[in-house]
Amino acid sequence: DIQMTQSPPSLSASVGDRVTITCRASQNINSYLNWYQQIPGKAPKLLIYAASSLQSGVPSRFSGSGSGTDFTLTITSLQPADFGTYYCQQSYNSITFGGGTKVEIK
Amino acid sequence: QVQLVESGGGLVKPGGSLRLSCAASGFTFSDYYMTWIRQTPGKGLEWVSYMSGSGTTVYYRDSVKGRFTISRDNAKNSLYLQMNSLRAGDTAVYYCARETRYYGTDVWGQGTTVTVSS
Repeated sequence: DIQMTQSPPSLSASVGDRVTITCRASQNINSYLNWYQQIPGKAPKLLIYAASSLQSGVPSRFSGSGSGTDFTLTITSLQPADFGTYYCQQSYNSITFGGGTKVEIK
Repeated sequence: QVQLVESGGGLVKPGGSLRLSCAASGFTFSDYYMTWIRQTPGKGLEWVSYMSGSGTTVYYRDSVKGRFTISRDNAKNSLYLQMNSLRAGDTAVYYCARETRYYGTDVWGQGTTVTVSS
């Protein structure tokens, strides 16, 4: 199975800050990497697919980069609506998720 | 609009069975792979199973093989998960979702809770 390792496990940032979350795959997954935001009590929401493509309706302050084994999700100017837990997911071979990064607003 | 609605969760004793259902609307159901994903506080998000649009291709995670069966009825726009020989470790919120592989898991239901406990 492909393992996905996210870091950091949690972070606290202020409104307007630039936030970066990283995800590492245990083997090459090309660009089969997706990012999700989950608000407590809700289902995950797709933000970025294919490593760097913005899902329709998602604000442009979200961006993704990377290929192979190392990937990054960046929020350029953190907003109050951005709190929650962020997950990466590989869909190259079956599906596995990272452990999540909990984002808190200071 | 595009929507998925799960039902069928509940409390069941170890060794028992449950059948989850997922009703789809707003898209051509038979065109898409569909998947079940579960979430526990301890293990996070965990893929369970998916099925191709035609129903001919099916995959399961190892821990549910032989116990869970995914199925679909394209005439009813519905996806199912038959869960037998349930264990405490199967306790989770189960999500039905639309799977596009390269384009992500792009539509999710609200989830249904399964609790396996004596």
